[in-house]
Amino acid sequence: NAGVMQNPRHLVRRRGQEARLRCSPMKGHSHVYWYRQLPEEGLKFMVYLQKENIIDESGMPKERFSAEFPKEGPSILRIQQVVRGDSAAYFCASSPPTGVNYGYTFGSGTRLTVV
Amino acid sequence: DAKTTQPPSMDCAEGRAANLPCNHSTISGNEYVYWYRQIHSQGPQYIIHGLKNNETNEMASLIITEDRKSSTLILPHATLRDTAVYYCIVRAHSNSNSGYALNFGKGTSLLVTP
Repeated sequence: NAGVMQNPRHLVRRRGQEARLRCSPMKGHSHVYWYRQLPEEGLKFMVYLQKENIIDESGMPKERFSAEFPKEGPSILRIQQVVRGDSAAYFCASSPPTGVNYGYTFGSGTRLTVV
Repeated sequence: DAKTTQPPSMDCAEGRAANLPCNHSTISGNEYVYWYRQIHSQGPQYIIHGLKNNETNEMASLIITEDRKSSTLILPHATLRDTAVYYCIVRAHSNSNSGYALNFGKGTSLLVTP
């Protein structure tokens, strides 16, 4: 049973380009969460999604950032027109549909570097 | 969600028990205590959680005081691979079929030494 898969592991983008980060949840998990960790800082919640629905995006920057979790395929975190301040590790986690009594399972993260 | 307070860092000798404290004096009755850890450059790892009873699994034990205002995560025989940042998080559970965001604070950086 594969864990949460994130790709790419490392992503380099020039300022102004778009970054697309992918997350495939564990088999049977229908809840996906995205977190961001800036250098030398803690993890910050960004968005929580279920299939085809954004449930809580209270941690998402209002501009340039978007997330989706389509019926088929991985969840995508999209950052448009990246800036140097977007350089961070982005972690995805998933939990099962009756996830209230379980901890998350995190992926290994995508390290985004904006040059 | 209730706020938690953890020491910023701790040391522990390899093979000894590591006892990581967490204060959550404003915890409410329906809030659980979760522990996660993050080994350098890796994704966080769920360790254990509990409501009021002490809990034990293959990784650790969680001791929650009777008044629930504090808890201790115990790694019974720490190894070098347990060196990580440990996060204590308090969160109420949502309705079934709903997930929940976790608020990671600064955690405790545990260094296990040879």
